[in-house]
Amino acid sequence: DSGVTQTPKHLITATGQRVTLRCSPRSGDLSVYWYQQSLDQGLQFLIQYYNGEERAKGNILERFSAQQFPDLHSELNLSSLELGDSALYFCASSARDRRTMNTEAFFGQGTRLTVV
Amino acid sequence: DAKTTQPNSMESNEEEPVHLPCNHSTISGTDYIHWYRQLPSQGPEYVIHGLTSNVNNRMASLAIAEDRKSSTLILHRATLRDAAVYYCILSNGNQFYFGTGTSLTVIP
Repeated sequence: DSGVTQTPKHLITATGQRVTLRCSPRSGDLSVYWYQQSLDQGLQFLIQYYNGEERAKGNILERFSAQQFPDLHSELNLSSLELGDSALYFCASSARDRRTMNTEAFFGQGTRLTVV
Repeated sequence: DAKTTQPNSMESNEEEPVHLPCNHSTISGTDYIHWYRQLPSQGPEYVIHGLTSNVNNRMASLAIAEDRKSSTLILHRATLRDAAVYYCILSNGNQFYFGTGTSLTVIP
């Protein structure tokens, strides 16, 4: 158990719809990262938050957005869903404080999104 | 934006050592070298990371070249549970960019 919790585990929705994926980081971790992994693809970095503020952006579509709340949990919002958005979405957390910014990241078990 | 190069696949016999290579010729002075592995349908799992010196932990060893342009993950005795995709990643603390990784097959 990595200590990172993602909900829901599975999600099936129709094209054009909007969904929200939730991530609870390890206790005390300030950074949250979101990744997308399509079938047989590598992990694509989407976005990172540190203590509530956006820190880095990767290949995140404009239809996607994220935020990190004061209690440090994070949500990834996916809208106007397309078939190609079907993927595993992983959340990771790291960095208990600024001094240890380069510690390891701990990944959740992912949310499997299926768009039909 | 992956900055690392790894072989697509490798095989190892069970209970033998495995050396997984990684090239990162464009590494900067502040980049840490991280290794993660991923089993099917699971999230990536941290293995080891280092900056300049070789590192050991209960899972593996990390050997870093003197010029830091390459590194090798060493599994001392491969088990069937070590079969996974291994990712070598450079991180400056802000993000972890995953490449395509090396798929390790362990032969009983």
